[in-house]
Amino acid sequence: GQQVMQIPQYQHVQEGEDFTTYCNSSTTLSNIQWYKQRPGGHPVFLIQLVKSGEVKKQKRLTFQFGEAKKNSSLHITATQTTDVGTYFCAGRAAGNKLTFGGGTRVLVKP
Amino acid sequence: GAVVSQHPSRVICKSGTSVKIECRSLDFQATTMFWYRQFPKQSLMLMATSNEGSKATYEQGVEKDKFLINHASLTLSTLTVTSAHPEDSSFYICSAQTGADEKLFFGSGTQLSVL
Repeated sequence: GQQVMQIPQYQHVQEGEDFTTYCNSSTTLSNIQWYKQRPGGHPVFLIQLVKSGEVKKQKRLTFQFGEAKKNSSLHITATQTTDVGTYFCAGRAAGNKLTFGGGTRVLVKP
Repeated sequence: GAVVSQHPSRVICKSGTSVKIECRSLDFQATTMFWYRQFPKQSLMLMATSNEGSKATYEQGVEKDKFLINHASLTLSTLTVTSAHPEDSSFYICSAQTGADEKLFFGSGTQLSVL
């Protein structure tokens, strides 16, 4: 079945630095979504990417969908303490359910 | 934005009892609702997909007689953990979507502890 993998599993970042988390699917996706779950909270939708090579920005967050529509990345610049949480990608192959990756747990060192 | 309400947020019960968790979409009609289980510091494991008026579709390895799902209306789905045991202790979370390929709106989750 479809598998979605995320790396790294943990990301320790110094406040103010940039980092990137990667998402890879075993199958070609029709779309990919990103969610953020704060500690003790529930996942909150961030963005959906649909087109091959698509790039979307939300303030300090940049999301990219690979040309082959099998991978995606989330890049955060100038990390802040409010960025703490777990970032999940979730991929959907055509006609299939959404499959979540394992998540990247982000810790920010002040 | 759309709101999904999930109750209770926390429940502690004795082994052998049943626990019902409700998931409501407050300001939209959810064509599909999903139930997940999440262990500490792990990802969301899809348990079942629930469509209004039809039987839930369970993922492989999830016992349908253990985890009863009822989707009686376009705004309400319930998950009943029957004869709960300590190994059923977990964080259960529901989500809803307004249409196919749409984003998910998550409930706040239910932390179940079975003694």
